[in-house]
Amino acid sequence: DIVMTQYPLSLPVNPGEPASISCRSSQSLLHSNGYNYLDWYVQKPGQSPQLLINKNSNRACGVPDRFSGSGSGTDFTLKISRVEAEDVGVYYCVQVLQTPITFGQGTRLEIK
Amino acid sequence: QVQLVESGGGAVPPGRPLRLSCASSGFTFSNYGMHWVRQAPGKGLEWVACIWADGTNKYYIDSVKGRFTISRDNSKNTLYLQINSLFAEDTAIYYCARGTGPYASGPLGDWGQGTLVTVSS
Repeated sequence: DIVMTQYPLSLPVNPGEPASISCRSSQSLLHSNGYNYLDWYVQKPGQSPQLLINKNSNRACGVPDRFSGSGSGTDFTLKISRVEAEDVGVYYCVQVLQTPITFGQGTRLEIK
Repeated sequence: QVQLVESGGGAVPPGRPLRLSCASSGFTFSNYGMHWVRQAPGKGLEWVACIWADGTNKYYIDSVKGRFTISRDNSKNTLYLQINSLFAEDTAIYYCARGTGPYASGPLGDWGQGTLVTVSS
């Protein structure tokens, strides 16, 4: 199974400041088709998870452009250019290259 | 719009069976692979199982193989998770999620609100 490791696990950020979450996979997520099969999800308080970014860097419909994903192979990063209060929640990186699909431990973003 | 509504959760003694359902609407259910993902209280997300759009292929996390069965009824637009012999560690919110395309590929673009299963004597 592919192991996903996120850091930090807790991320306090001032409003308007940038934030960055790192994710590392135990195997490369780069498919022969050139796509990295790495998604990012957020679970806001009291809500179901929702898709933020798929295939490493493609924002889901309705996701603000202050969210961006980057990386390749085994190392990936989710960046928020300017954190807003509504961004509070737990962020998960997820590999969807193969089953079992595996999630990172989650990074809890909070507003200072 | 896409709607996924889970049901069937509740408080169940260890060793008893349970069947979860996920009723879908707003999309052509028979065209999409589907997933179950669970979340133990205060913990992270754990993928459990998926099934292809036509039901021919099913995949499970090792810890539930032989005890959980994922299935679907495309005529009823409904996904199921049959859980036999529940263990305490199966206590979790169970979410159904829609995959991308017919082969249950990621990403998981739409999620239900979840149904809580509590295993306790």
